[in-house]
Amino acid sequence: QVQLVESGGGLVKPGGSLRVSCAASGFTFSDYYMTWIRQAPGKGLQWVSSISTSGSTIYYADSVKGRFTISRDNAKNSLYLQMNSLRAEDTALYYCARQIAGGVDIWGQGTMVTVSS
Amino acid sequence: QSVLTQPPSVSAAPGQKVTISCSGSSSNIGNNYVSWYQQLPGAAPKLLIYDNNKRPSGIPDRFSGSKSGTSATLGITGLQTGDEADYYCGTWDSSLSAGVFGGGTKLTVL
Repeated sequence: QVQLVESGGGLVKPGGSLRVSCAASGFTFSDYYMTWIRQAPGKGLQWVSSISTSGSTIYYADSVKGRFTISRDNAKNSLYLQMNSLRAEDTALYYCARQIAGGVDIWGQGTMVTVSS
Repeated sequence: QSVLTQPPSVSAAPGQKVTISCSGSSSNIGNNYVSWYQQLPGAAPKLLIYDNNKRPSGIPDRFSGSKSGTSATLGITGLQTGDEADYYCGTWDSSLSAGVFGGGTKLTVL
């Protein structure tokens, strides 16, 4: 079945780095834009970044621009988010999601990133 | 502060109908498709409506979406206790070149 499974979350100190990953299965990964969306504890959804099918087009939220890098490996059916210069306000559950033209149709279960000293 | 504006909460009795509004601008809702998501407690969000008014396979027709100008609305009829959840609208913002969500609406079925 269509599935997205995130991994790589954890506890990191302010200023530190972390890479989260997303393994896709059950669909042709290279046919879809992919997106990262996060949700801080008790808060709403926040779009983080999206990447085109080939990786040639990338978008970032202003709050992460210059610090986060999205990438994908179509041969491995995997999506990544490299997070540098992490701040306390980056603490959130990070969801990997499949993008369709008019929305996000498949969501993973999320991986928790906690930034704290 | 979210780019899209939703009421923080709505409530209605079982069997009744409720609507949830989502207000934006010409750079987002006015010129892009709107989607709606349901997030049950402790679960990942689920797509309810895409392309303003289309339902994915498996979503009952009790859920409907509409858009007019720079606002969108989610309608839920025949409310059930299992519909208690947070609901979010989302779209693309062409000026920001970024995805945007509403702040979310908590639905209580009394």
